[in-house]
Amino acid sequence: QKEVEQNSGPLSVPEGAIASLNCTYSDRGSQSFFWYRQYSGKSPELIMFIYSNGDKEDGRFTAQLNKASQYVSLLIRDSQPSDSATYLCAGLTAGNMLTFGGGTRLMVKP
Amino acid sequence: EAQVTQNPRYLITVTGKKLTVTCSQNMNHEYMSWYRQDPGLGLRQIYYSMNVEVTDKGDVPEGYKVSRKEKRNFPLILESPSPNQTSLYFCASSPWGKTNNEQFFGPGTRLTVL
Repeated sequence: QKEVEQNSGPLSVPEGAIASLNCTYSDRGSQSFFWYRQYSGKSPELIMFIYSNGDKEDGRFTAQLNKASQYVSLLIRDSQPSDSATYLCAGLTAGNMLTFGGGTRLMVKP
Repeated sequence: EAQVTQNPRYLITVTGKKLTVTCSQNMNHEYMSWYRQDPGLGLRQIYYSMNVEVTDKGDVPEGYKVSRKEKRNFPLILESPSPNQTSLYFCASSPWGKTNNEQFFGPGTRLTVL
């Protein structure tokens, strides 16, 4: 079992809707969590990080962390076709090792 | 411009021919890492380095070597490449010891081993 799990998708949402991306993790020692966006053939780029329980908002993006349930999510409001990409969830251990999930492919349809 | 560079970007080679993929960062980051990305498997860590002369194995180190003689460079060496090492490789760097250790990724190297 992978330490960070994501549904591979594709998750398809209409333009303007809220996209909800989910991630679970097994290592309770993971301290921080990151959401990266990766366009096909490109390198991952950081969208948000979160290390405290609760919600963290940045523009159209909201990250949610529930350490008791070992669950991380990313909400994208007012989804745009340009948001179509693969979203990678990653957990950072105390040893500074970043473990990635397999990614969820998001498709936003005009 | 702060960046991580990798060379070459694309490489086609044959089984058994030694190759090196270079990685360099100009952000004075202590931590550097190599990942490979394969369809359905996501990003898997090959090796990482927490500082000069300090390297350690990641999840999939077999068939790879690394060195960290200088802070800015972290080359990936394939002594005897095999077809199962055909993949997309990313180098990344980050500062060390902070909660929000964003990893900065290089542009990727697409390797094909025939």
